[in-house]
Amino acid sequence: ETGVTQSPTHLIKTRGQQVTLRCSSQSGHNTVSWYQQALGQGPQFIFQYYREEENGRGNFPPRFSGLQFPNYSSELNVNALELDDSALYLCASSSGVREETQYFGPGTRLLVL
Amino acid sequence: DQQVKQNSPSLSVQEGRISILNCDYTNSMFDYFLWYKKYPAEGPTFLISISSIKDKNEDGRFTVFLNKSAKHLSLHIVPSQPGDSAVYFCAASAGDSNYQLIWGAGTKLIIKP
Repeated sequence: ETGVTQSPTHLIKTRGQQVTLRCSSQSGHNTVSWYQQALGQGPQFIFQYYREEENGRGNFPPRFSGLQFPNYSSELNVNALELDDSALYLCASSSGVREETQYFGPGTRLLVL
Repeated sequence: DQQVKQNSPSLSVQEGRISILNCDYTNSMFDYFLWYKKYPAEGPTFLISISSIKDKNEDGRFTVFLNKSAKHLSLHIVPSQPGDSAVYFCAASAGDSNYQLIWGAGTKLIIKP
């Protein structure tokens, strides 16, 4: 059974640029959630995708967008990057929208200069 | 507005003794609580959970206690082992939005030999 994988592991961008982060969910999981974890804080929920549809969204602006593909892998896109977007971005998969136990990837560390 | 609080940024415990990690919450709609463990450069790993209809859940060396009237939960690890050294996150979800986990800031547990 393959766990959750994320790419890239690290990324450096400049303010105003756009970035795409990728996530492959665990085998058999149809739900993917994305989180932002700033230094010294807990993860903050960005949004969740279930069967290719956005199923819920946290308090993040529209420049944070996502996609889920038929194989349940997912992308997080962030436009017009700001310095405060520097964080660890975590992807988690689960076997359903009402399954609280989520399995996390190692994250992508984004630095915006 | 921090709905889930872990007030101890770090905790140091002797190997073999009990580790007690605490978590407080403010939202009375939370009905499911989880603990995750995170090692450096890895994503959080699910440890144990508890539903609001219970006040205790045990899994091997790990026990979670829930005090609904005090809006407080704690994670007990007995006996503590060196491999338990990690950051522990408390997370909660409400019945009407199971997909959104609200996380505390984490407590770094250090097990001393």
